[in-house]
Amino acid sequence: GQSLEQPSEVTAVEGAIVQINCTYQTSGFYGLSWYQQHDGGAPTFLSYNALDGLEETGRFSSFLSRSDSYGYLLLQELQMKDSASYFCAVRLPVFSSGSARQLTFGSGTQLTVLP
Amino acid sequence: EAQVTQNPRYLITVTGKKLTVTCSQNMNHEYMSWYRQDPGLGLRQIYYSMNVEVTDKGDVPEGYKVSRKEKRNFPLILESPSPNQTSLYFCASSLKGLASHEQFFGPGTRLTVL
Repeated sequence: GQSLEQPSEVTAVEGAIVQINCTYQTSGFYGLSWYQQHDGGAPTFLSYNALDGLEETGRFSSFLSRSDSYGYLLLQELQMKDSASYFCAVRLPVFSSGSARQLTFGSGTQLTVLP
Repeated sequence: EAQVTQNPRYLITVTGKKLTVTCSQNMNHEYMSWYRQDPGLGLRQIYYSMNVEVTDKGDVPEGYKVSRKEKRNFPLILESPSPNQTSLYFCASSLKGLASHEQFFGPGTRLTVL
């Protein structure tokens, strides 16, 4: 089977750096994605790691280590508007057909940024 | 404007009354999916479609049906809704293959089944 684990809540102050971890147990996947969701809104794509290592997009960076079954999202220079839920997701293969299933999401981390 | 639209945005219904939630995308995406979101459980995939007339079950398909007769539309059908289907539903679309990790989500449909 497969499961993705994230902390349920993280709190940090404006201007700080926060890391949201995602650990997974799966027999194979195509990459690790991160999505942001503000309260009641639609999830929006943030970042994707197809390979091990760090991907940087502005204030946000994402990291993947397949050997450690671990990834994280790093948010720098936190702003109040970064208060949201963050989801990691993996795209899993359908072994019977060789095609790729859609995304499987973690349960999400609620980030609260304090002034 | 590139977007995924869902209708209705809010719906209150009663047990057993068939309903359909529509989803449409204007980005010519091959892949489309339906998710439900419940507190503490994140986003769980209900059904997905890789192209017209190609659909498959996700993690929680029981009680739902879908169809993909046109590339742009992917309606979600609840033949006999029950209270445990009260949830926030999202439709999403993406390009195929290696680009499918980036999904574009609709605004959501909040469904209450009494």
